[in-house]
Amino acid sequence: AQSVSQHNHHVILSEAASLELGCNYSYGGTVNLFWYVQYPGQHLQLLLKYFSGDPLVKGIKGFEAEFIKSKFSFNLRKPSVQWSDTAEYFCAVNAQNYGGSQGNLIFGKGTKLSVKP
Amino acid sequence: NAGVTQTPKFRVLKTGQSMTLLCAQDMNHEYMYWYRQDPGMGLRLIHYSVGEGTTAKGEVPDGYNVSRLKKQNFLLGLESAAPSQTSVYFCASSPGGAGGETQYFGPGTRLLVL
Repeated sequence: AQSVSQHNHHVILSEAASLELGCNYSYGGTVNLFWYVQYPGQHLQLLLKYFSGDPLVKGIKGFEAEFIKSKFSFNLRKPSVQWSDTAEYFCAVNAQNYGGSQGNLIFGKGTKLSVKP
Repeated sequence: NAGVTQTPKFRVLKTGQSMTLLCAQDMNHEYMYWYRQDPGMGLRLIHYSVGEGTTAKGEVPDGYNVSRLKKQNFLLGLESAAPSQTSVYFCASSPGGAGGETQYFGPGTRLLVL
């Protein structure tokens, strides 16, 4: 079965520190990859997504992610975090043509990011 | 556009009671989804629908039923609530299921089963 692993449960950083959140998936075929963010008390919002082409994807609020097919990874990065980036971040994968998933996403368990002012 | 809306925002049930959660979207999306979110578990798919009149089981369907009588609405029912169903429920919709479609989420319904 497909699975998505997010290595860090909780990351604590000071403002201006650099961020990298790990995400690995288990499916060997064609995938579409997503990072969603959930700010405290809010619903999930799309940060960025990868379908094809350039493996370095830029999203909103200065976030970017790099798809490395050989490592089955899609890590999220930001050069300098702000207090307002405090949120929970979810990696999600859709494996095309896998068991009739028809667009269903498999989510990782999430990484909580706390940014200290 | 309101996007995806959910009713109610919060509900407390006693074990054995039933209730229906309503999800509505005004984006004319074909696909709709119900997830539950539990601490440390991420989001898990309960049921989904690929179009009006269709439903299918997701990862954790037991104890839930769904209906998609109208394209814009997706209802999630709990026939006999159990404490294990205490969770935050999110509805989402997407234009289609090609795999690369972004899912748009509602604000969530917080359910407490006593």
